[in-house]
Amino acid sequence: EDQVTQSPEALRLQEGESSSLNCSYTVSGLRGLFWYRQDPGKGPEFLFTLYSAGEEKEKERLKATLTKKESFLHITAPKPEDSATYLCAVQAGGTGGFKTIFGAGTRLFVKA
Amino acid sequence: NAGVMQNPRHLVRRRGQEARLRCSPVKGHSHVYWYRQLPEEGLKFMVYLQKENIIDESGMPKERFSAEFPKEGPSILRIQQVVRGDSAAYFCASSPYSDYGYTFGSGTRLTVV
Repeated sequence: EDQVTQSPEALRLQEGESSSLNCSYTVSGLRGLFWYRQDPGKGPEFLFTLYSAGEEKEKERLKATLTKKESFLHITAPKPEDSATYLCAVQAGGTGGFKTIFGAGTRLFVKA
Repeated sequence: NAGVMQNPRHLVRRRGQEARLRCSPVKGHSHVYWYRQLPEEGLKFMVYLQKENIIDESGMPKERFSAEFPKEGPSILRIQQVVRGDSAAYFCASSPYSDYGYTFGSGTRLTVV
């Protein structure tokens, strides 16, 4: 069964303290891995798509990487406005069709 | 430059009533997805539609729930005879291609009393 697991569930950082969020996945035929940011009371906001192992994408203080079994979202020198829930999602191209499965998310708190 | 528009933002229904949730995708996006989110839980896939077609409804309960994306007009998620367990945030998303990142709406928060 296709599965996405994110860790940690919650992460508290001081402003400027870099860290990484993990997303491990088990899918039959990965078509793409996605990272989203979700603020309270809002819909998820798309950040990155990664399609193959070894691929990396960057946007401001965020950098996403992908291996055959997991993805990392690296946050460099975070600011309080980076506080949000970060969601990882995978789209499998096997018999499960093309639906995208989301992990439960990592809640990030950045303190000034 | 309108994103995905969902309405209503909040919907209160009594047990046994019907709930209709509407979603207008980004202009030019032909792929629409519905997800349900419970408090402190992740997004659960419900259904994937293209114009006039249901592509994958494996996440949608077989009874009381239905979805459509007609040739003209918004996508509709319909829940008949609502029960308290249907209370959740329902998010709609759209994309131009099936393997693209999604644009999400702000969601409809359904409360069943």
